Amino acid sequence: QLVLTQSPSASASLGASVEITCTLSSGHSTYAIAWHQQQPEKGPRYLMKLNSDGSHTKGDGIPDRFSGSSSGTERYLTISNLQSEDEADYYCQTWGTAFVVFGGGTKLTVL
Amino acid sequence: QVQLVESGGGVVQPGRSLRLSCAASGFTFSTYGMHWVRQAPGKGLEWVAVIWYDGSRKNNVDSVKGRFTISRDNSKNTLYLQMNSLTADDTAVYYCARDPSGATGAFDMWGQGTMVIVSS
Repeated sequence: QLVLTQSPSASASLGASVEITCTLSSGHSTYAIAWHQQQPEKGPRYLMKLNSDGSHTKGDGIPDRFSGSSSGTERYLTISNLQSEDEADYYCQTWGTAFVVFGGGTKLTVL
Repeated sequence: QVQLVESGGGVVQPGRSLRLSCAASGFTFSTYGMHWVRQAPGKGLEWVAVIWYDGSRKNNVDSVKGRFTISRDNSKNTLYLQMNSLTADDTAVYYCARDPSGATGAFDMWGQGTMVIVSS
């Protein structure tokens, strides 16, 4: 069964870097994912598609501070030089034939 | 302007029906797969349904099977979600999202959402 697991929360200081992890279920290490950001009281926003080899395609206007990487079943979103507007929920998304799965989301607090 | 705009949400009694719409503009709607995703108050994102770019294939999550129907009109650049036999568990913000794979893949744009409240 295709499942995505995320830690519920993460925190880091203004100007620092943070890594958010999304773990694919066993046997699904070749799957790509997408990362989406949801700021408070707003709809989700596409950040990037992240492949199993770590290559990624970012959405229009996504700052260079946002990057992605992969290792095995782990998919990472790294945000550098944290800004206050980065405080948000971050969701990973993957898919199979005719279905889509979301991770439970990670709430990022910028200290 | 490239955008997705949902409409049709509101307050509805349990057991009743509602139809949501998602109007697309600024891109070639007929080449994109389209999805509905919902978010219950204080909860995470839940995928609801997908329809292929040409409408040839559809699927939805088990919790709405037999009650919700996704459809599209490519001549009107509009996506729909017909929701029947609504229950309190269907209370959520409903988002449409586009999928450049034409079927199921990474969503690359979202609408702003429309709220559905199921309450007597």
